[in-house]
Amino acid sequence: SQQGEEDPQALSIQEGENATMNCSYKTSINNLQWYRQNSGRGLVHLILIRSNEREKHSGRLRVTLDTSKKSSSLLITASRAADTASYFCATRATSGTYKYIFGTGTRLKVLA
Amino acid sequence: GAGVSQTPSNKVTEKGKYVELRCDPISGHTALYWYRQSLGQGPEFLIYFQGTGAADDSGLPNDRFFAVRPEGSVSTLKIQRTERGDSAVYLCASSLLADNEQFFGPGTRLTVL
Repeated sequence: SQQGEEDPQALSIQEGENATMNCSYKTSINNLQWYRQNSGRGLVHLILIRSNEREKHSGRLRVTLDTSKKSSSLLITASRAADTASYFCATRATSGTYKYIFGTGTRLKVLA
Repeated sequence: GAGVSQTPSNKVTEKGKYVELRCDPISGHTALYWYRQSLGQGPEFLIYFQGTGAADDSGLPNDRFFAVRPEGSVSTLKIQRTERGDSAVYLCASSLLADNEQFFGPGTRLTVL
């Protein structure tokens, strides 16, 4: 199975509510990145958090990293209809690889 | 400035044919990645270039797949003897260095009939 697994697979919320999605991984990592993909093909980078960091913020986004539990969470506050997208975490293991492994994603739907 | 571009945006080919997919990364980005993505899945790593050299090709599924980046900028992914299972969206991404944020292109949708 994939290194990064997002949870839940799908999430539907009302505009203005917060959305939380989680990512679990298996090996020690160099860094973890979150990406958004709207319908269509382009992925957009959201946040990169390194293994020695525990929390990062960017606008309405908050990412936490717990290396002891090998997990990360992405919180989107005050969601908007435009946040409707699929969200992926991507990790690179520390040992001798440049391979980034993406999870299967969380499909978020924000209802207006 | 210009983002990552990929050509063609769509490619339909017949089983057994050879295809080339092109990626133009952001100028100055030394790191370049190729991924492929099937419907409902996350991107699957294929190969990573640092400059001109393939630093990690562990994701290439078999020897029908090959990629080059001869001058450290444009990259071409080459697929020989295409199979129906190769149908997917092929994504290219570049970053300034290996562990920076990746900027993705719009992808090439490959359909093998």
